[in-house]
Amino acid sequence: AQTVTQSQPEMSVQEAETVTLSCTYDTSESDYYLFWYKQPPSRQMILVIRQEAYKQQNATENRFSVNFQKAAKSFSLKISDSQLGDAAMYFCAYRSAITGNQFYFGTGTSLTVIP
Amino acid sequence: DAGVTQSPTHLIKTRGQQVTLRCSPKSGHDTVSWYQQALGQGPQFIFQYYEEEERQRGNFPDRFSGHQFPNYSSELNVNALLLGDSALYLCASSSRTGAYEQYFGPGTRLTVT
Repeated sequence: AQTVTQSQPEMSVQEAETVTLSCTYDTSESDYYLFWYKQPPSRQMILVIRQEAYKQQNATENRFSVNFQKAAKSFSLKISDSQLGDAAMYFCAYRSAITGNQFYFGTGTSLTVIP
Repeated sequence: DAGVTQSPTHLIKTRGQQVTLRCSPKSGHDTVSWYQQALGQGPQFIFQYYEEEERQRGNFPDRFSGHQFPNYSSELNVNALLLGDSALYLCASSSRTGAYEQYFGPGTRLTVT
């Protein structure tokens, strides 16, 4: 089974600064998708950004961007110009493009934004 | 455009009881997946339904069962509740023919006493 590892249980960043959240995954597959989800205290998981493994170009969504290193099986999330509303749990997730729609999640990183 | 909805929001049950949680998928989606999220953990996949059948299942006992209705809504049933079943239960919907991401509902917080 695929595993997703987030080695930073907690991170903090000053408002307006940049922070990078780490994620590594283990898979023998070559075709898959990777995601970052945000879960604020309201509990609703919100999709932040997604990356297709076959694409070499790193995905970007406004202030959010990823550094996808396929050979290293690494998928980090960079948040630029951090805002108070970015404070939340962030989960990295993996989905196979071959063996089904099951998502595998990491254990999450709690991000605090300091005013 | 209505997103994924779940009911109830919170639920308190006693050990040994049975519980049913409900989910309505996002408009245009035909696939529903259920996840269990224990406190401080990431979501764990329970199972997935489309075309009214269970298509994929995670490592959960048979006490966990589900159903999907013709309108694509879904139920999660848990029998013989254990204290360890206390968790946030998330429903996620997706489309088999559309984009590959899943959209999540707000969850149901189940407490077993």
